[in-house]
Amino acid sequence: DAGVTQSPTHLIKTRGQQVTLRCSPKSGHDTVSWYQQALGQGPQFIFQYYEEEERQRGNFPDRFSGHQFPNYSSELNVNALLLGDSALYLCASSRGGSLNTEAFFGQGTRLTVV
Amino acid sequence: AQSVTQPDIHITVSEGASLELRCNYSYGATPYLFWYVQSPGQGLQLLLKYFSGDTLVQGIKGFEAEFKRSQSSFNLRKPSVHWSAAAEYFCAVEGNDMRFGAGTRLTVKP
Repeated sequence: DAGVTQSPTHLIKTRGQQVTLRCSPKSGHDTVSWYQQALGQGPQFIFQYYEEEERQRGNFPDRFSGHQFPNYSSELNVNALLLGDSALYLCASSRGGSLNTEAFFGQGTRLTVV
Repeated sequence: AQSVTQPDIHITVSEGASLELRCNYSYGATPYLFWYVQSPGQGLQLLLKYFSGDTLVQGIKGFEAEFKRSQSSFNLRKPSVHWSAAAEYFCAVEGNDMRFGAGTRLTVKP
């Protein structure tokens, strides 16, 4: 069991660019949640995808969007990057479209915006 | 909306000593509460969770936590700490969405 895998592991982008991060959930999981973790902070919930739809969303602007594919994998897209978007982006997978089940986290994608 | 406060940014304990990490939450209804651990360069691992029932929850790696509604707290404890426990610990509460505290960094002295 490969667990939750995220790609790429590190990424450097320029302000104003767009970025796509990818996540493959743990085998048997159908729900993917995305979090942003700034340096020295706790993770902040961005949104959750279940049955290919965004089910819940945190307090993030529309520049942050996502997608879930039929195989349950997911993408996080961020447009018009700002310096403040530099963070570790974590993906978590779980089952059943709820937050209150055990979520397994990937190791994250470190995004640096310059 | 719910919120989580971890009052201690950094705690240092000696190996073999007991540990208590504090967590206070704010939420109008019965919360779902979690403790996660994050080692450097790693994702988060769930240590334990509280949904309902017995207020003393046992988790992995010898950790336990006690839910105290009257104090709005969910403190994490371990009777004897090994050096490998050094990491960042996050408390989280699920209400409308999942909210994490800012974390407590644990250092273990030999």
